[in-house]
Amino acid sequence: EVHLLQSGGGLVQPGGSLRLSCAASGFTISSYAVNWVRQAPGKGLEWVSFISNSGDKTQYADPVKGRFTVSRDNSENTVNLQMNTLTAEDTAIYYCAKGLWTSSIMTSSTWGQGTLVTVSP
Amino acid sequence: DVVMTQTPLSLSVTPGQPASISCKSSQSLLHSSGNNYLSWYLQKPGQSPQLLLYEVSNRFSGVSDRFSASGSGTDFTLKISRVEAEDVGVFYCMQSIQFPPTFGQGTKLEIK
Repeated sequence: EVHLLQSGGGLVQPGGSLRLSCAASGFTISSYAVNWVRQAPGKGLEWVSFISNSGDKTQYADPVKGRFTVSRDNSENTVNLQMNTLTAEDTAIYYCAKGLWTSSIMTSSTWGQGTLVTVSP
Repeated sequence: DVVMTQTPLSLSVTPGQPASISCKSSQSLLHSSGNNYLSWYLQKPGQSPQLLLYEVSNRFSGVSDRFSASGSGTDFTLKISRVEAEDVGVFYCMQSIQFPPTFGQGTKLEIK
């Protein structure tokens, strides 16, 4: 069965850093693009970042550009999101999601369980 | 960015009755390939979003045939033929024709 298991969330002070991980099971993550989507408390879904299956293409939403970096470790079957210079506006549940097909870029089928990031003094 | 606008933002439906959600985009989602890059997700309470339909009307694996969708260009509609209690949650449309992918505000479905 296809699963994405997320880790790495938590409480961090403004200006701090966190690294989120998204580990795949039941499939080879290097075959699929992965997107990160976040959801602020009580709000809707907001796309954050994309990494291609080969890892050579990445995209970021304007609010996180220059602060977040997405990468993949195919040997560990994981995708990571490094988040730096965090602000209160980054407080959200972060989801990773795999592309629907190996050719899919943005349409995501399987989603991780989500990990809560709280930025607070 | 492509703006996605859903209506209504909430609806209350009696079990067994149909429901319909509209999604309009600020730009056409029709690609030169002939596909419209519009998908629908359902986020049940306390859960991650789940894919219902992609490229407008293609049901994802395991999705009930009570869910259907239609539309092209900038106007799209999700229909639930007979609402069941398990359909409770927030429905989102999402465009994937260009970066950044954008979501509608969400439509909250509750059962009467």
